[in-house]
Amino acid sequence: NAGVMQNPRHLVRRRGQEARLRCSPMKGHSHVYWYRQLPEEGLKFMVYLQKENIIDESGMPKERFSAEFPKEGPSILRIQQVVRGDSAAYFCASSLTGTSLYEQYFGPGTRLTVT
Amino acid sequence: GEDVEQSLFLSVREGDSSVINCTYTDSSSTYLYWYKQEPGAGLQLLTYIFSNMDMKQDQRLTVLLNKKDKHLSLRIADTQTGDSAIYFCAESSRSSASKIIFGSGTRLSIRP
Repeated sequence: NAGVMQNPRHLVRRRGQEARLRCSPMKGHSHVYWYRQLPEEGLKFMVYLQKENIIDESGMPKERFSAEFPKEGPSILRIQQVVRGDSAAYFCASSLTGTSLYEQYFGPGTRLTVT
Repeated sequence: GEDVEQSLFLSVREGDSSVINCTYTDSSSTYLYWYKQEPGAGLQLLTYIFSNMDMKQDQRLTVLLNKKDKHLSLRIADTQTGDSAIYFCAESSRSSASKIIFGSGTRLSIRP
């Protein structure tokens, strides 16, 4: 059973470009979470999605960031008009249900560098 | 708001025990976790404890929870070089079921 997959693993974008980060949850998991890790810091919650629904986006910046989890295909975290401060590692996690708080399985992350 | 704090660095000799400490502020925390992150990798859930427990042991790992002081610790017995990593303390509560709040991580280094 493959784990949570994220791609790309590394992404370099110039200021003003768009970044698209993909997350494929574990097989059978329908709950996806995105976290951001700035250098030398812990992970910060961004958004929680179920298939086709955003459940909790309280950690998402108000502008330029969006997330989706379509009925088919991976979850996408989209950052428009990237700035240097967006450089971070972005981790996706998935769980079987939304109530299994201790069963979020993490992917390897996408390291975004904005030049 | 919720906050989780832990010291940034810990260095121990191979074979000794490592104790990583963490404090949290949310009195409604229901679950407390320890995650391990190796260089360039994602997070691996090491262990978790429910807030109604005082202690949990799992092979070389022992978790102690002092709910009154909101203090959590992770003890790794017989520390090995493969234990070198960043260890994150984290918590979540039923009121914010989707969110896990992480500390900044403790970098554990092992000396021979």
